[in-house]
Amino acid sequence: NAGVTQTPKFQVLKTGQSMTLQCAQDMNHEYMSWYRQDPGMGLRLIHYSVGAGITDQGEVPNGYNVSRSTTEDFPLRLLSAAPSQTSVYFCASSYLDRGSEQYFGPGTRLTVT
Amino acid sequence: AQSVAQPEDQVNVAEGNPLTVKCTYSVSGNPYLFWYVQYPNRGLQFLLKYITGDNLVKGSYGFEAEFNKSQTSFHLKKPSALVSDSALYFCAVRGGGTNKLIFGTGTLLAVQP
Repeated sequence: NAGVTQTPKFQVLKTGQSMTLQCAQDMNHEYMSWYRQDPGMGLRLIHYSVGAGITDQGEVPNGYNVSRSTTEDFPLRLLSAAPSQTSVYFCASSYLDRGSEQYFGPGTRLTVT
Repeated sequence: AQSVAQPEDQVNVAEGNPLTVKCTYSVSGNPYLFWYVQYPNRGLQFLLKYITGDNLVKGSYGFEAEFNKSQTSFHLKKPSALVSDSALYFCAVRGGGTNKLIFGTGTLLAVQP
């Protein structure tokens, strides 16, 4: 199993540009989520999904869109990038059971200039 | 809403000494509690979890954590620290009828030789 994969590993955007961060998992996990990690702020939940066609907002959803058309994929879209979105982004997945631990991808380091 | 507090930004301990990394939580209903570790420039790795049952749970790399319902705490412990334990540690909670996994701000553990 590849686990949770994320692309790209690094990205530099100019303010106002849009892009999609890709996330895929091959463990047949129903639950998928996106976090951003900033110094001193820990990991903050952006959006999450409990299955194909179902998404919901986390703690910091503004400026980001998600969709879940398949069990395997959960892309994160930045609509109009802002310097405040400079961060490291992690995708994670788990079974729907609340006691299941999440498996994390390697992260995408995004810089917005 | 659920939340997690990690009151110490950094914990310093000498190699061979016991270590404790503190975590308190707030959630309605029964909590599902997790500890993760992040090594430099890496994703997050699962260490251990509390779902129900014995208040002392054991996890990877010799770590354990004690669940205390009355104090709403879930402190991470290890009897004898290693320099290789130096990393960023995150506590996380699920509960309140939701699948969302909410993280604390993290505690940097520094083990001196």
